[in-house]
Formats: sequence, structure tokens, C-alpha cells
Amino acid sequence: AQSVTQLGSHVSVSEGALVLLRCNYSSSVPPYLFWYVQYPNQGLQLLLKYTTGATLVKGINGFEAEFKKSETSFHLTKPSAHMSDAAEYFCAVSLFYSGGGADGLTFGKGTHLIIQP
Amino acid sequence: DGGITQSPKYLFRKEGQNVTLSCEQNLNHDAMYWYRQDPGQGLRLIYYSQIVNDFQKGDIAEGYSVSREKKESFPLTVTSAQKNPTAFYLCASSIVGGHYTFGSGTRLTVV
Repeated sequence: AQSVTQLGSHVSVSEGALVLLRCNYSSSVPPYLFWYVQYPNQGLQLLLKYTTGATLVKGINGFEAEFKKSETSFHLTKPSAHMSDAAEYFCAVSLFYSGGGADGLTFGKGTHLIIQP
Repeated sequence: DGGITQSPKYLFRKEGQNVTLSCEQNLNHDAMYWYRQDPGQGLRLIYYSQIVNDFQKGDIAEGYSVSREKKESFPLTVTSAQKNPTAFYLCASSIVGGHYTFGSGTRLTVV
């Protein structure tokens, strides 16, 4: 079975500072990895995903993430935080394409990103 | 525009009452999912369906029921057997194995 651990339920950064949200996964087969963002009382929006190929993935709103197999990590970064980035962020893993299990995403518990003015 | 619609946005349930949450999609997606979200717990899978007239239990199916009579629709019933139903419920759809499109959620409160 796969699992996802997001380090830090709350992360606070100053506007203009680097954003780093950490995600580690466990999986018996190569996973597909995703980051989603959720604004209050809304659904989840896909930020970016890693399937195969280039390990540095660029997403929307200036976010990017790097898949590091040796570290089983998929940390999300943004060089300069903006007030509009304040939201809940979820890392998720899927094994479907790898044949490692039934369909369905497994989510981390989320990280609440706070932007200080 | 294609999308996934959940209704109502807010729902109040009395003790011992069944309520049904609606989820409709016009994306022609085969797979649909229901998740429950509680603060600090992330998203937990309740039920999912990969094809019409078939569905599977997720991690927390007790106290919930679903149907999938049409490809576009995947309603969730929260039964009186669910002892702690107050939560935010999210519906999603996907092509099988693809990334998900989420609805905007229904917030259910027991009064």
C-alpha cells in the first residue's frame, strides 16, 4: 500500500519569500505524484503532476516540484510567495499506471500555507 | 463548459435523518469518487465507481451508501448509521487512472 506524509500541518512565510512544502511518499512501485491546492470552502485544483520523464515539474501559479526517487520525496516550491498563495495544499500519490493497485488517489493530510505581509 | 457540480453547497441534517448529496459531471468521465474531509485529516475515500452500476467501498464506507445508475451521476446518501456526519464532502471524477476533477464540495452539518 502507498502512503503520503506531508511535513508540517502549517507553514508560514513572508510575502516574497521562498515557499517550500514537503511531501514524502512510500510505494512499492514507481508512483504517479500530484499536488493539489484548495481555497476555503472549495474543491481541489490540480497544481502539477509527475508521471514519467523529467523529474522537475512545473505547474500553475509559478509552483514547481521535483521528484527525487532516492529520497522518496516530491517537495513543492515557489521562489516568491504572494498573498494569493494562502491556501491548503495536498500531496497525493496514485499507483494506477504502474499497475500497483486499484484506482484512487491517496492524499496526505495537507499543509496550510500562511503568507505574512 | 464541462465540469462537476455538487449540490447543495450547505446541508443541515437532523439526528436520525438520511440525507443525499448530489454529484453530477458532464466530462464524460468513467470514474467518480466521494471523499470526506475533516480538519487535519486530509481527504478520506468513502466510495468510488469506475463504471455504471458498479461501485467499491473506500476506507470509510460505513454509514454511507451510493448508486451509479448513470455515467453522469454519483449521489451519496449519508444514513442515520453514520454517527459523526458533520464534514466537508468532495466529489471527483476522472478518466480511469487520470488526474481528478473536483466539485466545489458540500458542507454537511448535524443540528
